[in-house]
Amino acid sequence: GAGVSQSPRYKVAKRGQDVALRCDPISGHVSLFWYQQALGQGPEFLTYFQNEAQLDKSGLPSDRFFAERPEGSVSTLKIQRTQQEDSAVYLCASSLGEWGNQPQHFGDGTRLSIL
Amino acid sequence: ELKVEQNPLFLSMQEGKNYTIYCNYSTTSDRLYWYRQDPGKSLESLFVLLSNGAVKQEGRLMASLDTKARLSTLHITAAVHDLSATYFCAVDVGNYQLIWGAGTKLIIKP
Repeated sequence: GAGVSQSPRYKVAKRGQDVALRCDPISGHVSLFWYQQALGQGPEFLTYFQNEAQLDKSGLPSDRFFAERPEGSVSTLKIQRTQQEDSAVYLCASSLGEWGNQPQHFGDGTRLSIL
Repeated sequence: ELKVEQNPLFLSMQEGKNYTIYCNYSTTSDRLYWYRQDPGKSLESLFVLLSNGAVKQEGRLMASLDTKARLSTLHITAAVHDLSATYFCAVDVGNYQLIWGAGTKLIIKP
């Protein structure tokens, strides 16, 4: 079946521009996560949705980062006024149920480069 | 500070050998996950360990969890080239968050 799909796969933007990253989770998955992964590092948690509710956004690094999942399926991570330190791979993951006990299924990520 | 430490961070080994990757963590947790990542690819779930003493095996890989020692191990038996990848452990610390190790890059030479 279809896995987690992220788009675009690569994004290059100039410093100061706004970007929007899309995640299509596995159909029917309740939980959705966004992570940031720097080169050679493990993923770092950004935010968690249970259906359309954003239950944890404590990992978002600044108020320039905003995520939404308005209908409980597709999610968008938006970064405003991008800065060079935002360059990273942004990973989306989904899991079937509510938090706990289940592995997360990851997309291939969006590689964001800020010039 | 919550920490998840993997060691080694880099491992080069010969086919046919055995080795163990260690994952230590600094907080109380009884849920731990192991993932595999190939270059440029997404993370693939390998094992879900949900209690003290849990042991899971799949092919040449075996994972275990000791919650009292705050330690998980990923053991590789008779390594083959196809197992070359980066392996991550991730600890459930509650509040909907996983804390990830930095990853162990494993290279298996023919």
